[in-house]
This record gives sequence, structure tokens and C-alpha cells, in this order.
Amino acid sequence: EPEVTQTPSHQVTQMGQEVILRCVPISNHLYFYWYRQILGQKVEFLVSFYNNEISEKSEIFDDQFSVERPDGSNFTLKIRSTKLEDSAMYFCASSEIQVTSYEQYFGPGTRLTVT
Amino acid sequence: DAKTTQPPSMDCAEGRAANLPCNHSTISGNEYVYWYRQIHSQGPQYIIHGLKNNETNEMASLIITEDRKSSTLILPHATLRDTAVYYCIVRGGGRGSTLGRLYFGRGTQLTVWP
Repeated sequence: EPEVTQTPSHQVTQMGQEVILRCVPISNHLYFYWYRQILGQKVEFLVSFYNNEISEKSEIFDDQFSVERPDGSNFTLKIRSTKLEDSAMYFCASSEIQVTSYEQYFGPGTRLTVT
Repeated sequence: DAKTTQPPSMDCAEGRAANLPCNHSTISGNEYVYWYRQIHSQGPQYIIHGLKNNETNEMASLIITEDRKSSTLILPHATLRDTAVYYCIVRGGGRGSTLGRLYFGRGTQLTVWP
């Protein structure tokens, strides 16, 4: 069964450093998302992406964040200058098409630790 | 999207049916009810969704009341691997980029015991 994959599974970085989290969505999916979950808290939406541009972003997704689909398979989340409060699990998701209803399929997540 | 209310925790004996309730009294006509679960910090997993009719798949059944103000997710024969946080999410249907995001609440922590 096709699945969303994410790399790395765990990333440790120092405050102020740039990180890139990578995702490979399911191959025929057209919509891509990033969510994050700070330890012990809710899963929070960050951004959605379709047709090579951002469809929607939350208030969390500020200028420090960017997303890109550099080729036909990868979908990346970049944090330009990490802060301690960026430590969280980051989940990528994809969905086939937005019609009357659809499902989002999530990857296993990348645990980001900022020290 | 309509707000949902779920009990914070439930438990269930292995092999028995787990019935997880969700209230969504402000649901509007074009909004669907989705259920996801999250097993210990893994990525959320889609379970099932419905609009007004009851739905069943290989994982679970979804019972939506006639007035659509509440629903119940049924795991017919719970196993230890079903221990997870279960999220009930209401969201609109139809095309449109603003309908993409999922709002996760606190969900219900289901513990299946042997």
C-alpha cells in the first residue's frame, strides 16, 4: 500500500540553524500539507500546497518557514533560523484531490529537536 | 468548521466493541464527519468519514444521528493495537483550498486492556 515517507526521522539542530525536512507524498496525490505537534499538545496545521503554490497557511507559518516541491516527488519544509519553540514532531500529509470529501494520509513524522 | 466535543478518555476490554462518541451540534449541511487516530506520536491515520448515512469499512463503522448533531465511531472487536487517541473532525466538502486544513482537538484516548 502506498504511503507518505519522511526523512530524517529525528533531526537535532542548534538554535539559529536552518533545517530542511523532507517528505515524499503518495505518487498520484496533488495536495500536500505540513502539520506539527509540540510534545503533549494538539496537532496543528501549518500549510497546504497545491499546483506549486501555497493554498493556505496558518498563523504559525511565518517568514521563517517555507515550502517547496523541488522535483516531481519531494515536498520540503524549511525553517530558516530555528528557535527552541520549533521543537516538535512535523508531519507531512498528502491527499488525492479535493472533491466533496477526501482523506489526508500522514507520514510517520520528523522529530525536530532544537538545542 | 464546526466544533466537536469528545470525552477525554475511554477504555475497553480486548475483543469487545469500542464505541467512541462525538458531539458536533453546530454541524452544517455540507460538512462531513471524519475520524482519525494517532497511535503514540505516530502520524494521524485516517479511519472513516461520512455525511449523513452510516458508513462501514474494514477498520470501523460510523453511526451518524439523523439530526447529524452527534456520531459514534465503532471498533467492533478492539485489539491492544487500537490503543490510540481518536479524533473526530468536522469539515466542509466541496472544492476550495481553504477547506484543506484539518483541525485536531484533544480527541479521546482509548485504552484497550487485555
